[in-house]
Amino acid sequence: DGGITQSPKYLFRKEGQNVTLSCEQNLNHDAMYWYRQDPGQGLRLIYYSQIVNDFQKGDIAEGYSVSREKKESFPLTVTSAQKNPTAFYLCASRGQGSNYGYTFGSGTRLTVV
Amino acid sequence: DQQVKQNSPSLSVQEGRISILNCDYTNSMFDYFLWYKKYPAEGPTFLISISSIKDKNEDGRFTVFLNKSAKHLSLHIVPSQPGDSAVYFCAARDYNFNKFYFGSGTKLNVKP
Repeated sequence: DGGITQSPKYLFRKEGQNVTLSCEQNLNHDAMYWYRQDPGQGLRLIYYSQIVNDFQKGDIAEGYSVSREKKESFPLTVTSAQKNPTAFYLCASRGQGSNYGYTFGSGTRLTVV
Repeated sequence: DQQVKQNSPSLSVQEGRISILNCDYTNSMFDYFLWYKKYPAEGPTFLISISSIKDKNEDGRFTVFLNKSAKHLSLHIVPSQPGDSAVYFCAARDYNFNKFYFGSGTKLNVKP
């Protein structure tokens, strides 16, 4: 079955630490996206990548970094520079020409302790 | 500045009745609109979509209406079922940038 997998489902981070969230897809989709969800707010775009070895900042990229070394993988690093990292993070992918928007992963809940 | 707005954070409906979820947008360059359904601790799943060249799209119990002049779309669920209880996000595509913008979601509760 094709799909998009995020891991881990829950993640705890100490203040000052970097942490990396995994996102893998086997849908052969070119584009991949990272969104953040906070209570009462819509999904806000952090970073996106339309092709391997290329990515662009979204609306709230500060304090985050990404890489796209493989088509299947788009990991997100939450750095210590992100002042309010506790949130629900969603990874998504989209095939070229697809009008069905995104296929989403099941999300990672990050909590700073 | 949110380009896609869902002004009702929650909606409660009796089973069997109609649920109407609303969404407003500001960007006239949006050319494609989608509704997603999300259960707690899960990713959103695609529900129904509509192109800007249409004003209605129907799929079973779900119908999406688009009013371009008012920059407004709505999702109708008839009849509503308890399993429809979830958060519903509307999303709009900016064709120029190949990006989707999401509303803040409406939590629907269908009471048995």
